Amino acid sequence: QVQLQQSGAELAKPGSSVKISCKASGYTFTSYYISWIKQTTGQGLEYIGYINTGSGGTNYNEKFKGKATLTVDKSSSTAFMQLSSLTPDDSAVYYCVIAAMGYWGQGVMVTVSS
Amino acid sequence: DVVMTQTPVSLSLAIGQPASISCKSSQSLLGTSGKTFLNWILQRPGQSPKRLIYQVSKLYSEVPDRFSGSGSETEFTLKISRVEAEDLGVYYCWQGTHFPYTFGAGTKLELK
Repeated sequence: QVQLQQSGAELAKPGSSVKISCKASGYTFTSYYISWIKQTTGQGLEYIGYINTGSGGTNYNEKFKGKATLTVDKSSSTAFMQLSSLTPDDSAVYYCVIAAMGYWGQGVMVTVSS
Repeated sequence: DVVMTQTPVSLSLAIGQPASISCKSSQSLLGTSGKTFLNWILQRPGQSPKRLIYQVSKLYSEVPDRFSGSGSETEFTLKISRVEAEDLGVYYCWQGTHFPYTFGAGTKLELK
């Protein structure tokens, strides 16, 4: 069965970066793009962007350009999202999603606090 | 960006009652492919969202047939014929036609 297993919760300081992972299994990794979604109580669900898992090509929501960087490691069927120059507004739960199949990871809580 | 407006914000229903949730988009979601990429997901308390419906009315294989989706262009509806306890949570519509993809604010289904 298709699974997206995300890395554990992160506590980071303002100005630092975090890199969260999303390990896919149960299907051919390069057959589907992986998207990333941000969820907060205040802003709801926001679409960050997607990565073509075959070519590594990316498409970012303008709002997240410069904030999020999406990469993949095909050898381990893992997608990554790095969030840089963190501020408290980046505190959220982040999901990886295979939009074409409707599968969501379990989410990663990122907390930015000094 | 396309704005997705869901109503109502919350629903309080008894088990066995029908439910209806509306989702309206600020632009037509009919894509150049002829497909309409309007999806519904359910987020139960403390869980990640789960897939329900794609392309307006197509149920994923594991979704009970008491769920149905309908609509076109800018107006869409999710219906539950008879609410069960496992249906409680927040329902979101989201569109995958226009980038960046966008989500409704959610409709919370609670037990009366």
